Amino acid sequence: DVKVTQSSRYLVKRTGEKVFLECVQDMDHENMFWYRQDPGLGLRLIYFSYDVKMKEKGDIPEGYSVSREKKERFSLILESASTNQTSMYLCASSFLGGATGTQYFGPGTRLLVL
Amino acid sequence: TQLLEQSPQFLSIQEGENLTVYCNSSSVFSSLQWYRQEPGEGPVLLVTVVTGGEVKKLKRLTFQFGDARKDSSLHITAAQPGDTGLYLCAGASEYGNKLVFGAGTILRVKS
Repeated sequence: DVKVTQSSRYLVKRTGEKVFLECVQDMDHENMFWYRQDPGLGLRLIYFSYDVKMKEKGDIPEGYSVSREKKERFSLILESASTNQTSMYLCASSFLGGATGTQYFGPGTRLLVL
Repeated sequence: TQLLEQSPQFLSIQEGENLTVYCNSSSVFSSLQWYRQEPGEGPVLLVTVVTGGEVKKLKRLTFQFGDARKDSSLHITAAQPGDTGLYLCAGASEYGNKLVFGAGTILRVKS
C-alpha cells in the first residue's frame, strides 16, 4: 500500500513564526503536491514538484515556499505565519505525470495560527 | 481559471435512499476523478473517468462523465451509513499538469 505521512496532525503557531510541514511518501513517486483545504473552497494547490529540486507554483503560492531535496520528501514552509494561513494542509504524491495519475494523500496537518 | 462547481454542498438522507451529486464546469477536462474523504483522513480516489459519455460502476456507486467532458455526476443507490463522508470531484485540464478540485459535497447517511 502507498503510504504518505505528514509530520504532524495538529500544529499551533504564533503569527510571524516560521513553520515547516513535512511530507514523506514511500512509493518512489516522482510527483508530490501540497494543498490547503478550507470549508466551501475545496482543495487548492499551493506548490507541486515533479522531480527532486524541481518545484512549480500552484494556484495560491503566496506566503509559502517548498523544498524537495530527496525524492521521498516534500516540505512546505510558511516563512512568516499569518492568521489567514490557518487551514488543513494536505500532501499528496502520484506516479504518473500530469494530472491523470491517482494522487495519494496523507492524513493532513491542521494548522492554527494565533 | 478553470472552476468546478459541486452541488449540493450538504446532503443528509436516510439509509436506503438514492442520491446524486453533480460536478459542473464551463471548461473541458481531459479526465475527471472522484474522491471520498472521511474525517481525519486525506481524500481517497474512487474512480477516474476519461471518455465523454463514460459510465463506471463501483458497487452501489455510478459515475458518469458528460458527453462534452464538462460535467460529471455520482449516483449512489440505497445509501448506507458507511457512505458518509466528503465527496470531491477533480478535473484534469487538457493542457495543464494539475487537478482542479470542486468544493465538495458533505454526505451524511442516517441509520
